[in-house]
Order: sequence, then structure tokens, then C-alpha cells
Amino acid sequence: DAKTTQPTSMDCAEGRAANLPCNHSTISGNEYVYWYRQIHSQGPQYIIHGLKNNETNEMASLIITEDRKSSTLILPHATLRDTAVYYCIVRVLTGANNLFFGTGTRLTVIP
Amino acid sequence: GAGVSQSPSNKVTEKGKDVELRCDPISGHTALYWYRQRLGQGLEFLIYFQGNSAPDKSGLPSDRFSAERTGESVSTLTIQRTQQEDSAVYLCASSPHGGGYGEQYFGPGTRLTVT
Repeated sequence: DAKTTQPTSMDCAEGRAANLPCNHSTISGNEYVYWYRQIHSQGPQYIIHGLKNNETNEMASLIITEDRKSSTLILPHATLRDTAVYYCIVRVLTGANNLFFGTGTRLTVIP
Repeated sequence: GAGVSQSPSNKVTEKGKDVELRCDPISGHTALYWYRQRLGQGLEFLIYFQGNSAPDKSGLPSDRFSAERTGESVSTLTIQRTQQEDSAVYLCASSPHGGGYGEQYFGPGTRLTVT
């Protein structure tokens, strides 16, 4: 799986959009970008994934650059409950039986 | 709908005792994973079940660890003769797709403490 680079921490004001960047310059053509988050003392939570087109679901939007070397997870209206560590993972769609979480970005939503 | 559930939520055991951890996946999910997460660390893959296929046990750290799954339902992870280094949160995840799919839904975990 390709390596990812994320900022260690970020702050976001409650109600504002949180934009979490991820660099994955060595991504392969068949690798997808996945985002998970882990709220303190809870299991990881799947957020979204995409290949090359931008994706949106009820939780977030995923913007992938045209060269696919970086992406941004957008939480449109951050709430205090969005405070968590966010993990960007690059991996194939199927065939890999594990998830490798790097260090992630610790997002703190500030009232 | 109901998510992945795990029991117990916390387990404290003495070194050398056996423990059994339970996972109830989301109904209809064909794939089930067990992971271990030590304090402040990332996920460590343990085992993967897909339908009636032979499980992928490549992540089990020693023969003290074993797991079973009945069809596409409940799974149990058993640790025999527990050691202090087994202390961790044990996470179960299920997926609606097989083949090692990346979209996985996690339970709250079982926090195991070996004294």
C-alpha cells in the first residue's frame, strides 16, 4: 500500500468546514483513497473512499486531485463530535485483508 | 440499523488464564475481521473470515490465539494462557463485501487487561 502523509494536528471552529489534507504521491493506478476516523476510546469509523472522482456522502466530501497525488477530506459543518483522529489510507479496493493506519491527523473542533 | 457489537467491553484477567472475546457483525455482512490496537498504536490485523472460505490467519501473533466464526454470524476470538503483552483493545469489523474490501465497519472493541 502507498504511504500517506498527513499533518499531525489541526483545529477547526465549530460550524466551519474542516479541510483535512493527505499526500499520497506514490499512489498506484489501482489504489483507492480511504478515510477513517477514530474518536477517543471508540473503534475506527469508515467515512468515505474514492478512486479519482470526487465523492460525497452524508458524512463528508472527498476531493482527489487530478494527478491523484493528494486528496482532501471535507467535513462541511464541523461539530464538537467530529473531534477525532482522521486517517487517510491508500490501498487496493479488494484483496488486502488489513487496514494500515498511519499516524493520522488529530482534528480538534473548538466551540 | 444495528452496528457491530462486541462483548465484553472490558475484560481484566490474570496472566495465564484463557479469555474469549465475542463479535456480532452487522447482519448480512459476509466478511469479518479481528484487529488488535495497543495504546497509542495503529491497527494490527489478526484474522479475516469470508463466508465459508478458510480464514486468513496470517496476522495471529502466536498459536495461543485462535478464532472461529459460525457461517456469517458470530465470531469468537480466544486467547489461551494470556500474557501481559496481550493487553490491548481487540476490535472486530465487518464488511458487506468480501475479498478484503476496504470499507469496514468496526465495533466498539474489547479492552483486555492482563495483570
